[in-house]
Amino acid sequence: KNEVEQSPQNLTAQEGEFITINCSYSVGISALHWLQQHPGGGIVSLFMLSSGKKKHGRLIATINIQEKHSSLHITASHPRDSAVYICAVGKGSNYQLIWGAGTKLIIKP
Amino acid sequence: EAQVTQNPRYLITVTGKKLTVTCSQNMNHEYMSWYRQDPGLGLRQIYYSMNVEVTDKGDVPEGYKVSRKEKRNFPLILESPSPNQTSLYFCASTGTQSLKLFFGSGTQLSVL
Repeated sequence: KNEVEQSPQNLTAQEGEFITINCSYSVGISALHWLQQHPGGGIVSLFMLSSGKKKHGRLIATINIQEKHSSLHITASHPRDSAVYICAVGKGSNYQLIWGAGTKLIIKP
Repeated sequence: EAQVTQNPRYLITVTGKKLTVTCSQNMNHEYMSWYRQDPGLGLRQIYYSMNVEVTDKGDVPEGYKVSRKEKRNFPLILESPSPNQTSLYFCASTGTQSLKLFFGSGTQLSVL
């Protein structure tokens, strides 16, 4: 069993829908990262959180340390949100990360 | 502008011909790392560096070398590339202050 599990692997939704991507982990962590990778390759950091909730525009990330679970939400989804979303956890030192396999999101107009 | 500059963006080479992928950051970050990304496998760490002259193996170091002679640069060297090193490579950096990750734009390598 992988130490970081993301679900779903693939998600297709209509424009405007509320999107939730989940990340569960089995190890003690120092922080959790959410990243976005658009087709064409570039990876961008969205959030880094160790507790609670963070919001940036239409994106919201939450983490429950006791349940070892994090969610990434997208409100009012748009086709430009189509990307792969990756969860990574810092184990011990935040420099050493364990990576999830990613969730491929497609938003249809 | 804060950035990680990675070159080249695309590279096609033949088996056994030594190559270097360069990575440079302008944020005075201590930590730099190389990853490879293959379909269905996600990101896997090749090597990382905690600071100048301090490097260590990641999860898949075989066939790769790195050096950290200056804080800003962290080149990835393939002494004798093989077809199983065909992959998408990313350099990343982070600092002790914010711990936010910054990635280069990636290098798509094909070894024929």
